[in-house]
Amino acid sequence: QVQLKESGPVLVQASETLSLTCTVSGFSLTNYGVIWVRQPPGKGLEWMGIIWRNGNTDYNSALKSRLSINRDTSKSQVFLKMNSLQTDDTAIYYCTSGWAYWGQGTLVTVSS
Amino acid sequence: DVVLTQTPSILSATIGQSVSISCRSSQSLLDSDGNTYLYWFLQRPGQSPQRLIYLVSNLGSGVPNRFSGSGSGTDFTLKISGVEAEDLGVYYCMQATHAPFTFGSGTKLEIK
Repeated sequence: QVQLKESGPVLVQASETLSLTCTVSGFSLTNYGVIWVRQPPGKGLEWMGIIWRNGNTDYNSALKSRLSINRDTSKSQVFLKMNSLQTDDTAIYYCTSGWAYWGQGTLVTVSS
Repeated sequence: DVVLTQTPSILSATIGQSVSISCRSSQSLLDSDGNTYLYWFLQRPGQSPQRLIYLVSNLGSGVPNRFSGSGSGTDFTLKISGVEAEDLGVYYCMQATHAPFTFGSGTKLEIK
């Protein structure tokens, strides 16, 4: 069955770079895209970006300058990197495919 | 970027009551391929979002048929015909017609 799981650091220092991994199973990254969504504590959902099945990417306009999404299809992994972190980047970070399948999310806290 | 305006922000309902949530877009969500990429999600407390509706009116897998979606162009509605206790949470609309994709601000459904 389709599964997605986010992994990465729980705590990151301000001004540093966040690196998260979404490991998928049950489908191929060459057939379906993967999307990153985040949610600050107590707030709404924010679309961050997508890596399409062909490897192309699109990003949230507000994050574009410091965000990149890549993948390793052989390992069924998608990578999110975001630099120059600030405390308001503290959030639960989710990956999803097709909007029907979601990871459980990973809480990242940015400390000043 | 496309702005999705959801109303109301808070909805209080009794069990069995029918309710509707509105989602208005700042531009048409009809894609050149003929599809309208408007989705509805429910996020229960402490859980990842769950896709309820895709392409305006298609029920997601395993979603009860008391949920229905309608609309076209810029105006969309999610209806719950007979609210049940398990429906409490925050409902979001989302558009994936125009990159960057965007979410509405959410509607919190409370059970009286």
